[in-house]
Amino acid sequence: GAGVSQSPSNKVTEKGKDVELRCDPISGHTALYWYRQSLGQGLEFLIYFQGNSAPDKSGLPSDRFSAERTGGSVSTLTIQRTQQEDSAVYLCASSPSQGSNYEQYFGPGTRLTVT
Amino acid sequence: LAKTTQPISMDSYEGQEVNITCSHNNIATNDYITWYQQFPSQGPRFIIQGYKTKVTNEVASLFIPADRKSSTLSLPRVSLSDTAVYYCLVGALLLTSGTYKYIFGTGTRLKVLA
Repeated sequence: GAGVSQSPSNKVTEKGKDVELRCDPISGHTALYWYRQSLGQGLEFLIYFQGNSAPDKSGLPSDRFSAERTGGSVSTLTIQRTQQEDSAVYLCASSPSQGSNYEQYFGPGTRLTVT
Repeated sequence: LAKTTQPISMDSYEGQEVNITCSHNNIATNDYITWYQQFPSQGPRFIIQGYKTKVTNEVASLFIPADRKSSTLSLPRVSLSDTAVYYCLVGALLLTSGTYKYIFGTGTRLKVLA
């Protein structure tokens, strides 16, 4: 079946612009996760959703970052007033439910470059 | 909150067994340990998951000691295609809020040589 998809695959934006990154999870997966991976670095957890609810937003790097999920499916990560330090690959994952005992299925990521 | 550390890099030759250890000193009682493989320009891919003792699947084994403060991923007879970055992942339940954070290890870059 179809895996996790993300769009766009690449995004180049000017500093100060807003960007929206989209994630389509595997159908039926109730949990969805966002991570950030800076160039040559490890994976930084940002936020997770169980259904449409994100119970903890403290992992978002700043108040310029927000995320939402509608219909228990598609999620968008929005970055307002982008800065050069926001340049990274943003990875989305989904799992059948939320919990460390579930395998997370990752999308290919969106590479964001802020110039 | 669990903090996870791994060796930065390892080199191995084809056909050898490779063991990569992840340290997660503050792992909580209910947390599972999961290992992922990542190739350049791709998302991480699941390898194996465990809670305690030993787990084996068709590609790897995972050893977790009784205190669960570390785990070791074992790759038998590696090939050139196993050259990748390997991450451990620990899910940490925050007791104050009842929510989870997911903490990836620092990653181990494995290079398999012919």
